[in-house]
Order: sequence, then structure tokens, then C-alpha cells
Amino acid sequence: AQKITQTQPGMFVQEKEAVTLDCTYDTSDQSYGLFWYKQPSSGEMIFLIYQGSYDEQNATEGRYSLNFQKARKSANLVISASQLGDSAMYFCAMREARIDRGSTLGRLYFGRGTQLTVWP
Amino acid sequence: NAGVTQTPKFQVLKTGQSMTLQCAQDMNHNSMYWYRQDPGMGLRLIYYSASEGTTDKGEVPNGYNVSRLNKREFSLRLESAAPSQTSVYFCASRFIRAGANVLTFGAGSRLTVL
Repeated sequence: AQKITQTQPGMFVQEKEAVTLDCTYDTSDQSYGLFWYKQPSSGEMIFLIYQGSYDEQNATEGRYSLNFQKARKSANLVISASQLGDSAMYFCAMREARIDRGSTLGRLYFGRGTQLTVWP
Repeated sequence: NAGVTQTPKFQVLKTGQSMTLQCAQDMNHNSMYWYRQDPGMGLRLIYYSASEGTTDKGEVPNGYNVSRLNKREFSLRLESAAPSQTSVYFCASRFIRAGANVLTFGAGSRLTVL
């Protein structure tokens, strides 16, 4: 079973509007972390935002916020005031805590991504 | 501060050839990772190294070997390349930011196997 599901292969938003990218996850761990990464056409992976499973408040980083609904196992990314430079592929990822060789490693599982296009 | 550096950026191989993807980080991180990215599949973990001298298999290790040469370097080797290994490969290292384990990635290596 997929651990991270992103149901929107592509999304379109007009410049200056807000957009929500969906992400649901599957885990039986109590302690886990949720991440969003951005991949522009140049190919690099850029860390955007993190939410811990025990964090009571939704994470925010500038124009990015993470709408964390634990009971529904969803971690949607909200981008406010979209800019043309936001056009990119966006990946949701989850870290499950796992003890390896005496240390917590934190392997990341990625969703398949959502291609966001911002138009003028 | 270069972060995570991968070489080469592009490579074309023939089936059966071997090659090594190099990765180095200058951030003194303990954990390093190799992922592959295929269209419509997101990123999948090939191998990881929790610390110098240790390596472990990820989700898709078949056809690959790795070496954690020292704390800085983590290489990925294809002994006998197959067309199914055509992909973009990312190396990453892990750091702690505000209590979160965050991966920082290299720029990627695009490999084509003919």
C-alpha cells in the first residue's frame, strides 16, 4: 500500500490566488513527520515545510502553510498569493521513526507529486 | 559551502556496462541516501547509510551497490546496467532543523541505459 498519496497529478492557479495541494498518508506509527518538497524544472529538490505528528499547530513558512488534519491523515500544502515562480512539481513525504543500528534514521517516503502551474 | 555534490550530471551507458555515481557532502552530516526518480513514481529509496561504515537497503536496492567511503562520500555503483535503471538519481544527506529530520538533496544525475 502506498504510504503517501497525492491525488492531483496537475493543478492550475492564477497568479496571486491561493492553492491547496492534497496529501494523505498511511502509517501506524505514533511519531512521524510530514514534509513538502518543491522540484522546479531545473530538477533540484527544495525543502519547503515540515510538520511533526505531535505538533498541535499547523506549520507555516512564509507563503507556505501545512493544513494538518491528524484524524483524517491528511497534510495538505497551502500556497498563498501564488507567484509565477511557484510553477513546479510538489512532493509530499513522510518520515516514519525507525530504529536502525541504535539510532533513529528517519527514512522518507515520497508521493508521486503534483505539477503546479501558475498562470498570469 | 557546496552542500551535496553529485557527479556526473549526465551519463549514457550501454546495457551491461558498469559505472559509479559519486556523492559528497561538506556539511558533516552522518546520514546519507540514494534515491531514484522515475516519471509518475516520485522518489524511491535505493540505499542509505546511517553513519560512516554502515549501509542498508531501501525500497529498490536490486542491481545496485553502495560504499560509504568516509563521512563525506557515499557512492552508488551499477555493476551491470539495465534499461530499467534509466532514471534520475538523487543523493541526499540528513540534518536536524527545529527538531525535524530534513533531507537536503544534490542536483541529480540523469542516467540513460541503452
